[in-house]
Amino acid sequence: AQSVTQLGSHVSVSEGALVLLRCNYSSSVPPYLFWYVQYPNQGLQLLLKYTSAATLVKGINGFEAEFKKSETSFHLTKPSAHMSDAAEYFCAVTEPTGRRALTFGSGTRLQVQP
Amino acid sequence: EPEVTQTPSHQVTQMGQEVILRCVPISNHLYFYWYRQILGQKVEFLVSFYNNEISEKSEIFDDQFSVERPDGSNFTLKIRSTKLEDSAMYFCASRNPGVLEQYFGPGTRLTVT
Repeated sequence: AQSVTQLGSHVSVSEGALVLLRCNYSSSVPPYLFWYVQYPNQGLQLLLKYTSAATLVKGINGFEAEFKKSETSFHLTKPSAHMSDAAEYFCAVTEPTGRRALTFGSGTRLQVQP
Repeated sequence: EPEVTQTPSHQVTQMGQEVILRCVPISNHLYFYWYRQILGQKVEFLVSFYNNEISEKSEIFDDQFSVERPDGSNFTLKIRSTKLEDSAMYFCASRNPGVLEQYFGPGTRLTVT
């Protein structure tokens, strides 16, 4: 079975500050990991994915995430927050073979203060 | 850029009524999914569909739920007799074989009264 834990249901940062959204996973097989973003009244948009290649993954809008097997983590970062980054962020895991359904974390709502 | 579309954006129904939620996946995708998100909770997998049959379903997807691909473009989720606890945002997603990422639609908000 797989699971995802996102620490912090709400994170608030100032514009220009570092964004750090935490994701820890549990998986009995090597995981594939994703970060999705959900803007108000919109669907889920893929930010980035980890698929066992490079452990540091770059995504859209300046976001990146690092896969750390020893810590079972896949934290999302952005060096400088922008007002437009305000949204809900979901970490998700799946397995590389067999079932491809995504298991999501509970989400982190990011607020960016001017 | 191709995208997944869903209709309606918001559906209000009375308890016990049947509802059909509609999705148009990206045209060359072959795997289709339904997820739901109860307000304030995490996104949960319901069912996956490939080659005109269910490939996987969760415990949530009981006999009240069914999926269908009635033609070459639509993918539907039917709830036969809605319950209050079915109120949620329902997301459709699709992907191509050999590609990991799923592309999500904007969702249908179902309100059961």
